[in-house]
Amino acid sequence: DTGVSQNPRHKITKRGQNVTFRCDPISEHNRLYWYRQTLGQGPEFLTYFQNEAQLEKSRLLSDRFSAERPKGSFSTLEIQRTEQGDSAMYLCASTRLPTATYNEQFFGPGTRLTVL
Amino acid sequence: GDSVTQMEGPVTLSEEAFLTINCTYTATGYPSLFWYVQYPGEGLQLLLKATKADDKGSNKGFEATYRKETTSFHLEKGSVQVSDSAVYFCALSGGNQGGKLIFGQGTELSVKP
Repeated sequence: DTGVSQNPRHKITKRGQNVTFRCDPISEHNRLYWYRQTLGQGPEFLTYFQNEAQLEKSRLLSDRFSAERPKGSFSTLEIQRTEQGDSAMYLCASTRLPTATYNEQFFGPGTRLTVL
Repeated sequence: GDSVTQMEGPVTLSEEAFLTINCTYTATGYPSLFWYVQYPGEGLQLLLKATKADDKGSNKGFEATYRKETTSFHLEKGSVQVSDSAVYFCALSGGNQGGKLIFGQGTELSVKP
């Protein structure tokens, strides 16, 4: 257990429905990242927050995706009008910067989304 | 853009065999390099890291050396155990890219007794 929690762990939904995932990072961590991992692939960066500010969004993050971190603590990732191609594991990671010259991120267990 | 390429799996070894998982990268500047491991049913865990050329990261008997001249960060272990069975991911973090990690596709390791 890294101290990063994600809920729910599994979500099954029908195409066209909206879903929301939550990530609770390690409490003193000011940076929070979202990644997406499809079967047999490595995680791909989606977006990240420094405190409550969303500083970067990947081009993978279409208009149907939105992420928030309203008080600089937990974060939510919402997918509207889900498509079958959204089926993946959604990973959250956190870290505290600036610390050293590297960036060790602590990952949560992920939320597995299945879109039927 | 920056990228990481790993040797394809799955890799199947007998217990106590020597392990090498190749990883090469493409990056501008001087990235930090990482190996993450994902055990069955668990989340990603940092295995080891290196932040500059010629640094050697090590943990749990695993080692990897940051080779700038060959842009490589190969993972090695002298004697694998059944408990090392997992998926291993090589990753980099660029200096001016907000700290996001760029991962390779992962290499599945299966160690048989």
